[in-house]
Amino acid sequence: SQQGEEDPQALSIQEGENATMNCSYKTSINNLQWYRQNSGRGLVHLILIRSNEREKHSGRLRVTLDTSKKSSSLLITASRAADTASYFCATPMNRDDKIIFGKGTRLHILP
Amino acid sequence: DTAVSQTPKYLVTQMGNDKSIKCEQNLGHDTMYWYKQDSKKFLKIMFSYNNKELIINETVPNRFSPKSPDKAHLNLHINSLELGDSAVYFCASSQGGGSNIQYFGAGTRLSVL
Repeated sequence: SQQGEEDPQALSIQEGENATMNCSYKTSINNLQWYRQNSGRGLVHLILIRSNEREKHSGRLRVTLDTSKKSSSLLITASRAADTASYFCATPMNRDDKIIFGKGTRLHILP
Repeated sequence: DTAVSQTPKYLVTQMGNDKSIKCEQNLGHDTMYWYKQDSKKFLKIMFSYNNKELIINETVPNRFSPKSPDKAHLNLHINSLELGDSAVYFCASSQGGGSNIQYFGAGTRLSVL
């Protein structure tokens, strides 16, 4: 079944550095979404990029989408301790409002 | 006000018991979901309801039965709990349509002993 796969599985960087996470998926999509999950909390939607967009920004977040390679990246610039979380990409199925989540990237920001 | 709220937050119970998790959303959304997140953080959809009607029913044991009394509520009842049911269960809602952006509750951590 269609599923996003994030890479890397885990990432540790120093505060202030940029963090990049990648997502690959298998079939055609209308949009791709990124979510954040802080420890012990529910997922929070960060950004949605449509299939006809190549790049989208939201604050310190930058998302790119390459439909020819079926991949997306999430860049967090000037990372902060509060960015420590798991990040998931999600791709919708073309029916029933169902979206499939990847396995996530665990990001740890070191002080 | 919490947009999607689920109770209880923690649930510890013995094998073989029956338990329920409740979920309510005040966003006016038409679609609600239940997800299961295992110890490796993998998030898997279980059920989805649209306006009280079941639209997604993944391969889930029939010990799990969702119930939607109205479109703002989607409860999950689990019969004859097993050790493998231990996980975090998330409720979510979405408006539906093209974007499918989902709004999640804080989760219910179920531990079956």
